[in-house]
Amino acid sequence: EAGVVQSPRYKIIEKKQPVAFWCNPISGHNTLYWYLQNLGQGPELLIRYENEEAVDDSQLPKDRFSAERLKGVDSTLKIQPAELGDSAVYLCASSLSQMETQYFGPGTRLLVL
Amino acid sequence: AQSVSQHNHHVILSEAASLELGCNYSYGGTVNLFWYVQYPGQHLQLLLKYFSGDPLVKGIKGFEAEFIKSKFSFNLRKPSVQWSDTAEYFCATGDTGRRALTFGSGTRLQVQP
Repeated sequence: EAGVVQSPRYKIIEKKQPVAFWCNPISGHNTLYWYLQNLGQGPELLIRYENEEAVDDSQLPKDRFSAERLKGVDSTLKIQPAELGDSAVYLCASSLSQMETQYFGPGTRLLVL
Repeated sequence: AQSVSQHNHHVILSEAASLELGCNYSYGGTVNLFWYVQYPGQHLQLLLKYFSGDPLVKGIKGFEAEFIKSKFSFNLRKPSVQWSDTAEYFCATGDTGRRALTFGSGTRLQVQP
């Protein structure tokens, strides 16, 4: 069974540029999560989707971050414009349903110069 | 808000030594508890989980954890570590309210041959 797929794996951009991350969850998983992991820290939830509905986006900085999950499968997380402090690893995870075990993708490591 | 504390940030052991990594959580309600591992260059993987039942949980690769409700703890143990256990270990809780994981800051384990 294929795992959670994320792309790109690495991204280097200059500040004020836009950037987008893509995630394809495990087939059949209705719940999709985006987490942010800063260096030396554990992942922190940015947004959770149940199918195509964002049911918890309380930690998403909405002035510059946006996300979508069209058709309840793939998801895209966007930052516009990026700031130096956005340098981190962005993780996508999925689960069959809420409160089931979450499976993580390899992450996208973002460096903002 | 829920929080997870991992007391050991960096642990160095010799092969065959016993391991215990501490994890304490703050939430007093019903929680699900997890240990995830991240090997160098790899994505987060589930080691073991506790939802209910026997408080002593056995996971993959010889790891186990004990849920002690009175101490709000879920410590990870392994009787004899191997060099291949070198990784970062994250404790996490999932509460029924928020339906997402709250992670600790992680413990970096280095096993010396």
